[in-house]
Amino acid sequence: DAKTTQPNSMESNEEEPVHLPCNHSTISGTDYIHWYRQLPSQGPEYVIHGLTSNVNNRMASLAIAEDRKSSTLILHRATLRDAAVYYCILRDILGSARQLTFGSGTQLTVLP
Amino acid sequence: DTEVTQTPKHLVMGMTNKKSLKCEQHMGHRAMYWYKQKAKKPPELMFVYSYEKLSINESVPSRFSPECPNSSLLNLHLHALQPEDSALYLCASSRTGNSNQPQHFGDGTRLSIL
Repeated sequence: DAKTTQPNSMESNEEEPVHLPCNHSTISGTDYIHWYRQLPSQGPEYVIHGLTSNVNNRMASLAIAEDRKSSTLILHRATLRDAAVYYCILRDILGSARQLTFGSGTQLTVLP
Repeated sequence: DTEVTQTPKHLVMGMTNKKSLKCEQHMGHRAMYWYKQKAKKPPELMFVYSYEKLSINESVPSRFSPECPNSSLLNLHLHALQPEDSALYLCASSRTGNSNQPQHFGDGTRLSIL
């Protein structure tokens, strides 16, 4: 899987939107962009994934740059429960590997 | 609460003990995974089972022995572990091994080796 680069940490105020960036300049045409998060003392949790178009679900939105070399996970109204490590991961739909290769992720702190 | 259940939640064992970690899912998923996570680090893949057959072993030492008795269960048998094996062990499952499908994780077993 190609590499991703994320800031080590970010802070947000409660009830405000949060934009978590991810750079993936070596992305290939068959790489999907996946986001997972890991709350304290829990296993990772799937958030969202996409290929080219922006995606929305009940948890978040994913904005993908036109050249696909970067993406942004958007939490529309951060809550204290959103404090977690957020992982941006590329997964090749044509690859034989089926695992997730986690990068170091972004530690999100939500301030009350 | 997750749909992947791991037991026990905590385990303390000596280096000469034999123990097993268990993982169960009833979502009909046919791919199951073991990950190891050290403190303040991301999870790292250990094993992948697809349709109850071992398909990926990421060069894990033989003191870790996985087993998939049926499509709902995944075990990790431990023997003669070292202190550096202390970590959070995570189990995950996905509908198939297709890399575009989300993986569902349990909350892990926190293992301490004395």
